[in-house]
Amino acid sequence: QKEVEQNSGPLSVPEGAIASLNCTYSDRGSQSFFWYRQYSGKSPELIMSIYSNGDKEDGRFTAQLNKASQYVSLLIRDSQPSDSATYLCAVNSPHSSNTGKLIFGQGTTLQVKP
Amino acid sequence: EAQVTQNPRYLITVTGKKLTVTCSQNMNHEYMSWYRQDPGLGLRQIYYSMNVEVTDKGDVPEGYKVSRKEKRNFPLILESPSPNQTSLYFCASSLSQWETQYFGPGTRLLVL
Repeated sequence: QKEVEQNSGPLSVPEGAIASLNCTYSDRGSQSFFWYRQYSGKSPELIMSIYSNGDKEDGRFTAQLNKASQYVSLLIRDSQPSDSATYLCAVNSPHSSNTGKLIFGQGTTLQVKP
Repeated sequence: EAQVTQNPRYLITVTGKKLTVTCSQNMNHEYMSWYRQDPGLGLRQIYYSMNVEVTDKGDVPEGYKVSRKEKRNFPLILESPSPNQTSLYFCASSLSQWETQYFGPGTRLLVL
């Protein structure tokens, strides 16, 4: 089982719709959770960080964390073509053999069609 | 401007010719890390450093070296590059291993 799993997609949504991106992780002791956006050939840039159960909203973005079910999701409201990118889920766990490691999922490619 | 810089941005080299990719951050971050990104394999950590003179291996350290002699700099050294080290490399830094990591612009390396 991969430590952090994401559906690679592509996830295709029409402009203005809600895009829902999901991520599951294997280490129940994980404490820090991040969503990054990466355009092709560019560096990852942080969208959201979340540390406690529940929802965290920032503009059109909402991160949801459920530690009991070991998943974290990202909702993008009113999706725009400029949101088309790969979204990376990253998890940091104190219980991994490498306590300095931020573990990334493979990423989900989102396509927003005008 | 707070940033992570990497040099060079693009590099073509030949097998066995030692090279160094520099990484510098101006945010006074304790934690720095190197990743490589390959199609289908995602981002994989090569080495990380929690503070000056403290470095440790990530998932794919073979063929790489690092040093952290000063807080702001974290160079990645390829002593004898091989074609399987052709990749896109990112340096990142953060206040601690639990905080958001900020990425440099990337270095695209081709080893012939």
